[in-house]
Amino acid sequence: AQTVTQSQPEMSVQEAETVTLSCTYDTSENNYYLFWYKQPPSRQMILVIRQEAYKQQNATENRFSVNFQKAAKSFSLKISDSQLGDTAMYFCAFEWGAQKLVFGQGTRLTINP
Amino acid sequence: EPEVTQTPSHQVTQMGQEVILRCVPISNHLYFYWYRQILGQKVEFLVSFYNNEISEKSEIFDDQFSVERPDGSNFTLKIRSTKLEDSAMYFCASSGPPVAGDKDTQYFGPGTRLTVL
Repeated sequence: AQTVTQSQPEMSVQEAETVTLSCTYDTSENNYYLFWYKQPPSRQMILVIRQEAYKQQNATENRFSVNFQKAAKSFSLKISDSQLGDTAMYFCAFEWGAQKLVFGQGTRLTINP
Repeated sequence: EPEVTQTPSHQVTQMGQEVILRCVPISNHLYFYWYRQILGQKVEFLVSFYNNEISEKSEIFDDQFSVERPDGSNFTLKIRSTKLEDSAMYFCASSGPPVAGDKDTQYFGPGTRLTVL
């Protein structure tokens, strides 16, 4: 069974700083997908970024980038130039074969002015 | 931009009552999902649905739960006899079609907050 672990329950940084959220996972599959979802106070689940395991290049979306280490089963999210609107809960998730998403416990990120 | 929609946004019900949560997935998607999130906890998978049948379901998805795609656009989750512990945020998600590598990316609706009294 796949598991996803986020070891940082809470993080807090100043606006404009860079922050990295950690995620590790466990799977015996070789081809899979990894995601970061953002959940602001409205509780909507918003896709931030996705990574295909077969791609060696790390995904980037504007200020968001990942550090994907397949051998280490690590998938961290870096937010550059953080903004107040980045304050949210962030969930790392694993998916394989159009099946269910398996989520981590989440990291509550606060951006301070 | 296409999006998943859910109604109602908030449902309050009495214990033992039946509730139906409604979702309209993105129109050309083929895979549909329900998840739930108890306040302060992580998001948990309930059920996946493809080609008019359940693909996979979790231990949470017992006989009190059922899903249906009654027409070409709606996807519903029914809880037959609600319990206090069913109080949670329920998310619908959809993915596909299997082109452009999008089959595996799930897009979520805004959720329905279910409160069981």
